[in-house]
Amino acid sequence: DVKVTQSSRYLVKRTGEKVFLECVQDMDHENMFWYRQDPGLGLRLIYFSYDVKMKEKGDIPEGYSVSREKKERFSLILESASTNQTSMYLCASSLLGNSRNQPQHFGDGTRLSIL
Amino acid sequence: KQEVTQIPAALSVPEGENLVLNCSFTDSAIYNLQWFRQDPGKGLTSLLLIQSSQREQTSGRLNASLDKSSGRSTLYIAASQPGDSATYLCASIQGAQKLVFGQGTRLTINP
Repeated sequence: DVKVTQSSRYLVKRTGEKVFLECVQDMDHENMFWYRQDPGLGLRLIYFSYDVKMKEKGDIPEGYSVSREKKERFSLILESASTNQTSMYLCASSLLGNSRNQPQHFGDGTRLSIL
Repeated sequence: KQEVTQIPAALSVPEGENLVLNCSFTDSAIYNLQWFRQDPGKGLTSLLLIQSSQREQTSGRLNASLDKSSGRSTLYIAASQPGDSATYLCASIQGAQKLVFGQGTRLTINP
């Protein structure tokens, strides 16, 4: 079974802090994704990566950056956390081969609160 | 821009009933459609993926269908159980494997 592990289930940070959310997958997947999920807005794509050191903006990249130094690890960075970034963050991964027909596998999520 | 809609937002049925969850999308140029389950406070579990060339996929008591021409997908759950209670999300894949999600249907199965 595919395992996508997010380093923290719950995280509380203060406004202005630099925040790192970590995601690791164990299935040698090329693609990795970061989403946020908010009531009434659903899941929205922040960034994705299809290879080491490659990244693409999703629908809501403002205020975020990402890092992919190793294939199995994809980090989401909040450069200067703000209260409107309080949310549930979900990481996902998938195989690249015939990408569009590969399911995405999700981690358990990190519930981030910015005070 | 693709829009994915799931109606109703919430559904409550007695245990043992068969039920259908609906998903509609505005752009029929999708590559596939994926159904997920989400338990409260948890991540998403992939249930079924239907490729654009397929009409349906089955896994146990679950059957998902896809009609691209009408922009609809359905998830059929047979003989529902209390353990099926969760939020069910559908998502279409456009280019570059970008998923576009519906808002979900919160399903409650009453014992």
